[in-house]
Amino acid sequence: GAGVSQSPRYKVAKRGQDVALRCDPISGHVSLFWYQQALGQGPEFLTYFQNEAQLDKSGLPSDRFFAERPEGSVSTLKIQRTQQEDSAVYLCASRKRQTNEQFFGPGTRLTVL
Amino acid sequence: GESVGLHLPTLSVQEGDNSIINCAYSNSASDYFIWYKQESGKGPQFIIDIRSNMDKRQGQRVTVLLNKTVKHLSLQIAATQPGDSAVYFCAENDGGNEKLTFGTGTRLTIIP
Repeated sequence: GAGVSQSPRYKVAKRGQDVALRCDPISGHVSLFWYQQALGQGPEFLTYFQNEAQLDKSGLPSDRFFAERPEGSVSTLKIQRTQQEDSAVYLCASRKRQTNEQFFGPGTRLTVL
Repeated sequence: GESVGLHLPTLSVQEGDNSIINCAYSNSASDYFIWYKQESGKGPQFIIDIRSNMDKRQGQRVTVLLNKTVKHLSLQIAATQPGDSAVYFCAENDGGNEKLTFGTGTRLTIIP
């Protein structure tokens, strides 16, 4: 069956450029998570949705980061005025109702020059 | 703040031997723990999980041990194979939060 998909897989941006990263969760999964993974580190939580509601955005590092999930399925993580420190792999995960296991996508590797 | 960390960043094991990967956590409220495997260029893949009301759980070739007294978690992989080479992360959830908190990771290399 289809897992979590993310696009693009790779993105190179010039400093100051805006980027949008897309996540398609597993069909029927209510919860959706975004994580940021720096090179050689574990994933770090950014934000969490239940359906279309963004219930936790405590991990977003600055107001340049914005996430949405308007119809409760596909989600977009937007980064405005990208900085070099934004370079990382951005992982999306989804989870079905009343379970703990999060299923991860392959990630989008963002490189800011 | 709370953190989940690993004792060793790298581990090399002979093919066919057993491997043990360790993890320490500091949040005493953590009640759910997961081990993930991450291969190069891929997202984390679920291996096994355990709840805080258990101290051991077994899967296929893998066993997770939880010692709540010392806040320690370990992953045992039996009869390691070349395909086991990857970075392994422990992660925890405290029930009050939906997010997972990950450790830094241990790179496991299987020597043929």
